[in-house]
Amino acid sequence: DGGITQSPKYLFRKEGQNVTLSCEQNLNHDAMYWYRQDPGQGLRLIYYSQIVNDFQKGDIAEGYSVSREKKESFPLTVTSAQKNPTAFYLCATRTGATDTQYFGPGTRLTVL
Amino acid sequence: GENVEQHPSTLSVQEGDSAVIKCTYSDSASNYFPWYKQELGKRPQLIIDIRSNVGEKKDQRIAVTLNKTAKHFSLHITETQPEDSAVYFCAASIGGRSGGSNYKLTFGKGTLLTVNP
Repeated sequence: DGGITQSPKYLFRKEGQNVTLSCEQNLNHDAMYWYRQDPGQGLRLIYYSQIVNDFQKGDIAEGYSVSREKKESFPLTVTSAQKNPTAFYLCATRTGATDTQYFGPGTRLTVL
Repeated sequence: GENVEQHPSTLSVQEGDSAVIKCTYSDSASNYFPWYKQELGKRPQLIIDIRSNVGEKKDQRIAVTLNKTAKHFSLHITETQPEDSAVYFCAASIGGRSGGSNYKLTFGKGTLLTVNP
């Protein structure tokens, strides 16, 4: 999981603004995931991509969008339609050969 | 969809004691069950996992047991140490050895384990 980077580590946004969170990996993993973590809650799946140029909605996709144009990158855009975006966002990857997901260091988003 | 319940939400033990965290799942098709440890402000890290064709798995002081019939699995930590203090998450998914594989992990809400010196 040292090969997964997320930037920035902390992000502040004004209400009504869209913001894009970066997730990059050099592990050559096929699948990538975005999770949201709130205090006292487990991780909830936002979007996932099993292969380049394809992605699926997770359990809480409303107000978010993604793209997967390159194997190494899976950016997440938090749009103004997301009602409560303040949270810790975690990106994960999985090699096609196993079930194990590895997490990046996360981005903490705060809406002011 | 899958639903994972995790208990207890907080657990406090004395150093050297054992700790047990329990999870139940709802989808009988789930066949992959990982456990993650997350220290404050850090990323979750996989500590152990088990597949449905195995009833128990051990790795040093950590073990996981699975009861497919009852649809529950548990994490056991023996001889706890202060550095075991963290939030532990269980999860379930339909993994790669099933025709209906989706690889989507559903997480429990976590257990805050505190090991007192």
